[in-house]
Amino acid sequence: AAGVIQSPRHLIKEKRETATLKCYPIPRHDTVYWYQQGPGQDPQFLISFYEKMQSDKGSIPDRFSAQQFSDYHSELNMSSLELGDSALYFCASSLGRVSLAGLYYEQYFGPGTRLTVT
Amino acid sequence: AQSVTQLGSHVSVSEGALVLLRCNYSSSVPPYLFWYVQYPNQGLQLLLKYTSAATLVKGINGFEAEFKKSETSFHLTKPSAHMSDAAEYFCAGGIQGAQKLVFGQGTRLTINP
Repeated sequence: AAGVIQSPRHLIKEKRETATLKCYPIPRHDTVYWYQQGPGQDPQFLISFYEKMQSDKGSIPDRFSAQQFSDYHSELNMSSLELGDSALYFCASSLGRVSLAGLYYEQYFGPGTRLTVT
Repeated sequence: AQSVTQLGSHVSVSEGALVLLRCNYSSSVPPYLFWYVQYPNQGLQLLLKYTSAATLVKGINGFEAEFKKSETSFHLTKPSAHMSDAAEYFCAGGIQGAQKLVFGQGTRLTINP
């Protein structure tokens, strides 16, 4: 079965540079999420998009921006990189599902992009 | 606001022994709960999910979890540990209609031969 694809898998940048991470969701999934996982930390939600519109926002720095395109792939743009931005960045995708209690989102995660800022 | 707490950042068991990883949630509305596993340098793989259909949930690789509302818990268990179970395990929660997941701090499971 097709999975979430992220590129690149590894990225090394210097301070103050910019980086662009790409995410290709599972076919027919309409929602994309971005999470940041620092060393030894749990994943932290950054932002999500549903049908190309921002649907939720978490602890995403103002230096970061993201968008979802017409083919549902998403890009996370990071500018003025800082050492603290070094982390594993996950993209996840989902399709809303209905259970007995209501709507929930079963998220499938990509392999992540490891960003190292030097 | 919802939060997820995992008790024990490290758990070590012998091969063949019972695995018990603890997760408690705090939510003002009925939650949806998930367990993910992360192997070194890899992404997050969904083990199982609770979506109000059944309180005892069976997942992949022999894992299961029981949702206990009275205890606000969703502990993960496996009757007999295998060396290949060594990984980081994350409990995560969502609420109805909300898309983002809130993760626990993670539990690193070590299996001793």
